[in-house]
Amino acid sequence: EVVLTQFPATLSLSPGERATLSCRASRSVSTYLAWYQQKPGQAPRLLIYYASNRATGVPARFSGSGSGTDFTLTISSLEPEDFAIYYCQQRSNWGLTFGGGTKVEIK
Amino acid sequence: HVQLQESGPGLVKPSQTLSLTCTVSGGSMNSGDYYWSWIRQRPGKGLEWIGYIYYSGNTYYNPSLQSRVTISVDASKNQFSVKLNAVTAADTAVYYCARLTIAVAGFDYWGQGTPVTVSS
Repeated sequence: EVVLTQFPATLSLSPGERATLSCRASRSVSTYLAWYQQKPGQAPRLLIYYASNRATGVPARFSGSGSGTDFTLTISSLEPEDFAIYYCQQRSNWGLTFGGGTKVEIK
Repeated sequence: HVQLQESGPGLVKPSQTLSLTCTVSGGSMNSGDYYWSWIRQRPGKGLEWIGYIYYSGNTYYNPSLQSRVTISVDASKNQFSVKLNAVTAADTAVYYCARLTIAVAGFDYWGQGTPVTVSS
């Protein structure tokens, strides 16, 4: 099993600030990594796939980078609707796992 | 526009079997482009992949649940189902069905989720 570790657990920022979220894999997953946004009471929403590709309809302020074991989700300038929990997810020969999540909260 | 909708009992007794069905609308399940999946989220916790099924019937499960879970598909009804046996309070969660598109290796469509409580 590939363990995904997300950090920080909580990010306290103000609207307009830049958010940088990290996801580290216990072994290389190449670029088979996705990012999701989840708001309270809602299902997760796919934001990024293959580490750096925005899903349909996702604003350009969201970007992903990385390969192998280290990945980053960047929100260039936080909008009020971006305060949520973000999860990374990998799919590889060793199965499918999610990270524990990073909560982006209003400072 | 693809939509997924979970259905099933919201309350299951300990040691019994949890059974849920996901109905897919707006698209056919008879495609090699997708895996049809179940994911759960315990109260206040993160996401846990349960398993998925290919249209051909091939299944893949989370090793931690493999001994208790079965996922099946009825493509003629555009439905797939999950059964989790010998449930305990630790199986209390919101259960989501979702579509994993192989080309993106990610879950691009989700159901709204259905809460299931395990309690006597």
